[in-house]
Amino acid sequence: GQQLNQSPQSMFIQEGEDVSMNCTSSSIFNTWLWYKQDPGEGPVLLIALYKAGELTSNGRLTAQFGITRKDSFLNISASIPSDVGIYFCAGPWAGNMLTFGGGTRLMVKP
Amino acid sequence: DAGVTQSPTHLIKTRGQQVTLRCSPKSGHDTVSWYQQALGQGPQFIFQYYEEEERQRGNFPDRFSGHQFPNYSSELNVNALLLGDSALYLCASSPGAGETGELFFGEGSRLTVL
Repeated sequence: GQQLNQSPQSMFIQEGEDVSMNCTSSSIFNTWLWYKQDPGEGPVLLIALYKAGELTSNGRLTAQFGITRKDSFLNISASIPSDVGIYFCAGPWAGNMLTFGGGTRLMVKP
Repeated sequence: DAGVTQSPTHLIKTRGQQVTLRCSPKSGHDTVSWYQQALGQGPQFIFQYYEEEERQRGNFPDRFSGHQFPNYSSELNVNALLLGDSALYLCASSPGAGETGELFFGEGSRLTVL
């Protein structure tokens, strides 16, 4: 399958700080998605991006579809304890196969 | 409105055994996809079922098979279990083929192979 590389692999931040993470690929994607997985749960869709250059917000979350179509960024403003979890980027590949990155684990100090 | 439900939530098997995992999709969804998530990794696509047929398959051996029933629910079967099959198995549903990538996931079935 196609490789999506996420960085950083983990982050330990103070409550109230802003967070930035990114996802890159060697291939072009026409859709970028960001999912969050809480412990013991399945991933939940946060934001979907369908157009190069698109900037989309969902509350304190903002994601961008890179202009080259080979990357995407997710920002979280004013982090709170419930932001803890693993954030995955994903993109549809070869039809209906959704390929995921390795995830960014976010930990928040109160 | 029930979301995606999976059973069992946890199970332990030994090498060489067979396992069946079950999934009921979200109401109104007709497509079911299965993913394997090893510890510390992102989910990996196993296969997708639509209209009771396997529509697409990822890079998994034939030991992994599935089925979709007329009510859209689905089963994942794994034969001749290996230690490396230990993982969280996630079921995801979508209306239609899910080309947008917008999937609804269940909580998963955690399989441990001893």
